[in-house]
Amino acid sequence: AQKVTQAQTEISVVEKEDVTLDCVYETRDTTYYLFWYKQPPSGELVFLIRRNSFDEQNEISGRYSWNFQKSTSSFNFTITASQVVDSAVYFCALSEGVDSSYKLIFGSGTRLLVRP
Amino acid sequence: DGGITQSPKYLFRKEGQNVTLSCEQNLNHDAMYWYRQDPGQGLRLIYYSQIVNDFQKGDIAEGYSVSREKKESFPLTVTSAQKNPTAFYLCASSIEQGIRTDTQYFGPGTRLTVL
Repeated sequence: AQKVTQAQTEISVVEKEDVTLDCVYETRDTTYYLFWYKQPPSGELVFLIRRNSFDEQNEISGRYSWNFQKSTSSFNFTITASQVVDSAVYFCALSEGVDSSYKLIFGSGTRLLVRP
Repeated sequence: DGGITQSPKYLFRKEGQNVTLSCEQNLNHDAMYWYRQDPGQGLRLIYYSQIVNDFQKGDIAEGYSVSREKKESFPLTVTSAQKNPTAFYLCASSIEQGIRTDTQYFGPGTRLTVL
């Protein structure tokens, strides 16, 4: 079975601290995709990144960076110099192939609170 | 601007009533999805549709129904058979189902409360 675990339910940091959100996944597929989404208080899910299983290079986008390690089945997300606007719930998701279609399996999310 | 719209943002319903949630997209995406989110939990798939006039059950389809008569529209009906309908409902779309690189983009959601 495909599964995504975000063990950190809630994290609280002070502005300008770095913070890492953990994501561990389980899959028997050799080809799969991982995603991170941000859900601000407004409720809409905002797409952040997609990564395929063959590309283990770390990715950086401004203050955001992602560390993908197949050996530990992890796809962790780091925010550098956090800001109050980063406060949100962050979801990690794994694509699951079912016949000719695919579905997203979501983790339960990590709520990040950045205090001024 | 291209995007996904959901209406209404907040919806109240009495027990025993059916209610329909709207989802419209102008991204020319082929696939559309409905998810349910309960407090403190991740998203669970209710239904999805790869093409017009076709849809598939997700993980928690009981008590829900959908239709896909137009490419841009995928309404969700929460029926009286749904035992615990109070939740946040999110609609999403993607370019084409079946391509694993496909990214799903989400609407703003509808918060349904049963009184």
